Amino acid sequence: ETAVFQTPNYHVTQVGNEVSFNCKQTLGHDTMYWYKQDSKKLLKIMFSYNNKQLIVNETVPRRFSPQSSDKAHLNLRIKSVEPEDSAVYLCASSRTGTEVFFGKGTRLTVV
Amino acid sequence: GQQVQQSPASLVLQEGENAELQCNFSSTATQLQWFYQSPGGSLVSLLSNPSGTKHTGRLTSTTVTKERRSSLHISSSQTTDSGTYLCAIAASGSWQLIFGSGTQLTVMP
Repeated sequence: ETAVFQTPNYHVTQVGNEVSFNCKQTLGHDTMYWYKQDSKKLLKIMFSYNNKQLIVNETVPRRFSPQSSDKAHLNLRIKSVEPEDSAVYLCASSRTGTEVFFGKGTRLTVV
Repeated sequence: GQQVQQSPASLVLQEGENAELQCNFSSTATQLQWFYQSPGGSLVSLLSNPSGTKHTGRLTSTTVTKERRSSLHISSSQTTDSGTYLCAIAASGSWQLIFGSGTQLTVMP
C-alpha cells in the first residue's frame, strides 16, 4: 500500500523551463529524501531533509532545490531543466535510521 | 565513498528454482535494505536487515556485518519474481541509503 505520494507521474518539458514535483508522506516519518534514477536504473541520493536539516549530495547541480512546508511534504524544484535531467525522480521517507519507503516516482522527459 | 556491489548482475532461472543474490559493501553499515523493482515499476521494500537473518514468505536475508556482506535467498522462484533486486546501505553516521546497481532476475515458466 503506497503511503508516499508523488505527483505528477509523468512530465514532459522543454529545455530551460522550470518544473516542480510534489511529494507527500502519510507515515508520520521525520525524514524525507529525493533520489534520481537514470536510464541505466542507477539510483543516487540527491537530498535528505530531517527536522529542517538539509543534506545535499555534492554532485547535485544548483538548479535543483528541495522545498518543504512541513515534515510530511518535500517537493523538488528544477529551475532550468537540461536534457541530462531526464530521469525518474523518486521521493522516499523514513523514521531517521530505519526502513525507507518510496513513492512511485515522477518520470521527467526534457525535449 | 561508500560502495555497494551486487552480484550477479543478471540471473535466469526456471520456475521453481532457488535464487541467491549477493551484496557487498565497503564500510560499516548501520542500515541495510533489500528492494524489488518491477520493469517500469516502483521500488518496493522487501526486507530491512542490518544484521543477522530475517525471513518473510519465500525470502531470506542473511547479513554478516563484520564481513560487510548480505545475501537474499528466494526459494521456489515464480515468474512474477522477475525484476530487479536492489541492495542499499546506510553507512555509520549517515541516514542516506546508497544503492547497488542491482541484480536483474528473470524467471522462465
